[in-house]
Amino acid sequence: DQQVKQNSPSLSVQEGRISILNCDYTNSMFDYFLWYKKYPAEGPTFLISISSIKDKNEDGRFTVFLNKSAKHLSLHIVPSQPGDSAVYFCAASEGGSEKLVFGKGTKLTVNP
Amino acid sequence: NAGVTQTPKFQVLKTGQSMTLQCAQDMNHEYMSWYRQDPGMGLRLIHYSVGAGITDQGEVPNGYNVSRSTTEDFPLRLLSAAPSQTSVYFCASSYSGYYGYTFGSGTRLTVV
Repeated sequence: DQQVKQNSPSLSVQEGRISILNCDYTNSMFDYFLWYKKYPAEGPTFLISISSIKDKNEDGRFTVFLNKSAKHLSLHIVPSQPGDSAVYFCAASEGGSEKLVFGKGTKLTVNP
Repeated sequence: NAGVTQTPKFQVLKTGQSMTLQCAQDMNHEYMSWYRQDPGMGLRLIHYSVGAGITDQGEVPNGYNVSRSTTEDFPLRLLSAAPSQTSVYFCASSYSGYYGYTFGSGTRLTVV
């Protein structure tokens, strides 16, 4: 039973446009959410996180939105750049637990 | 600042062999974890530790052992390698669950 779902395996956008990556979760006990970016042959890199007490968190070009009632979060990248091309993983935990649960990832391609 | 260092980067084992994947961090992080990533899958937690002398099982612990004798090191032992353990293994560390984990660059393991 997949507790964190990223239903789009891939996404392609034009440089300068907005990229929106989506993530759904089923475990209502999850209260901390993170996004990671991964380039080939490298480990994941932490991007941004959000606690369930918030519905939005921004860091530069990256914004994460959380809709607790829908059990849905999204990562917005504006403007998208070719260097953003990578696989993006959504992850969740209960109470900031060390036990992160990851989605399967979405491969983002930003075309020049 | 080395961050999280994993060795080896690549390894081929025969079925039934044992080996240890090494992981070291120099950030004085208490939390350390091991994940595996398989094609089309997200990262799955194998074992984790919240401090020296304290370890626990994650989602997919069977066939693996860990110990944490120092804050810096968190080795993962494969007891008797099986083809199903062919995967990319990532070690990660963090101050706590409310901080993003720092990942190593991974060990690609093939069991034949």
